[in-house]
Amino acid sequence: DIQMTQSPSSLSASVGDRVTITCRASQTINSYLNWYQQIPGKAPKLLIYAASTLQSGVPSRFSGSGSGTDFTLTISSLQPEDFATYYCQQSSSIPFTFGQGTKLEIK
Amino acid sequence: QVQLQESGPGLINPSETLSLTCTVSGGSISSYFWTWIRQPPGKGLEWIGYMHSSGTTNFNPSLESRVTMSVDTSKNQFSLRLSSVTASDTAVYYCARTTVTTADTDYWGQGTLVTVSS
Repeated sequence: DIQMTQSPSSLSASVGDRVTITCRASQTINSYLNWYQQIPGKAPKLLIYAASTLQSGVPSRFSGSGSGTDFTLTISSLQPEDFATYYCQQSSSIPFTFGQGTKLEIK
Repeated sequence: QVQLQESGPGLINPSETLSLTCTVSGGSISSYFWTWIRQPPGKGLEWIGYMHSSGTTNFNPSLESRVTMSVDTSKNQFSLRLSSVTASDTAVYYCARTTVTTADTDYWGQGTLVTVSS
């Protein structure tokens, strides 16, 4: 299985901050990397697919980059509704594995 | 707007078979992968597997020996069966739609908590 490692595991930030979350794959996954946001008690929501393509309806303050093994999710200016847990997922190789999650909390 | 809804028992006994159905509305069940993902309480996401309407399946090797999936295109439903459950199978189970091109999961059900306990 491809291991996905996110950093940091948790992060405290303020409204308006710029935040970056990283995701590293244990082997190359080209650009088969997806980012999801999960609010407690809710299903995950797709934010970014194919490493850098913004899902329809997702605010443009979210962006993704990377290829190969190293990827980033950036939120350019945090809004109150962005405080959640973020997961990366590789969809290059079965099983499609997730990172352990990054919990973004209000400072 | 595509919507997915899980249904099935919320409590099952150890060693029994977990059985869940997902009903898809607002879109056809053809031309996508139909996926199950689970999340133990307070933990991360685990991909269980998917099935295409053509019958193609792929499962997580860690669960493959216990997993069965099926699709009923006439009812726009797909199903998961997980046999010989233990307490470690207690989780919120999500059904979801996965695209064939980039295999991103773009629509999710709300999730259903299944507890394994006697």
